[in-house]
Amino acid sequence: DQQVKQNSPSLSVQEGRISILNCDYTNSMFDYFLWYKKYPAEGPTFLISISSIKDKNEDGRFTVFLNKSAKHLSLHIVPSQPGDSAVYFCAASSLYNTNAGKSTFGDGTTLTVKP
Amino acid sequence: GAGVSQSPSNKVTEKGKDVELRCDPISGHTALYWYRQRLGQGLEFLIYFQGNSAPDKSGLPSDRFSAERTGESVSTLTIQRTQQEDSAVYLCASSSHSYEQYFGPGTRLTVT
Repeated sequence: DQQVKQNSPSLSVQEGRISILNCDYTNSMFDYFLWYKKYPAEGPTFLISISSIKDKNEDGRFTVFLNKSAKHLSLHIVPSQPGDSAVYFCAASSLYNTNAGKSTFGDGTTLTVKP
Repeated sequence: GAGVSQSPSNKVTEKGKDVELRCDPISGHTALYWYRQRLGQGLEFLIYFQGNSAPDKSGLPSDRFSAERTGESVSTLTIQRTQQEDSAVYLCASSSHSYEQYFGPGTRLTVT
């Protein structure tokens, strides 16, 4: 049973427009969520996170929204730039897990931003 | 400062051989993780070390896989009697007191 799901394997947007990447989770014990970005031949890099006590966190062009009742989070990138083209992974962690800090990752969404 | 490093960057091995993959975490990071990413797939959790606690081995796919960590430093992931389905990129990550993980560049393993 996959606890973190990214149902869209790929997304293509035009430069300057908004990119919206979605993530759903099933485990109600998750209380901290992260987004990572991965370029080819590199390891993922941390992008932005959100605690379950918030419903929004913003960092420059990147905003993460959390809807706990729907067990859904999304990453908004605006305006999108060609350099944002990468694979984006959603991850979830639980403070109550005996292995707090261990994250469960989704399968990733490949974002392509066209010039 | 220095990030997470992994070696080798690429490894080609024959089916049935053993391989060792190495990870050097960021100094001071107490947690260390190993993941596997097969072509076109997501990150598959393998094993997690946190300080002196017993490692969480729940993600290891078979008893051919094992990992060790020396204190809060280097870790090695060993795959015995490699199979073609073991071909993947093996990623190591470390973290301190936050949930944010810092990843190495990965080791691309090809089993022929």
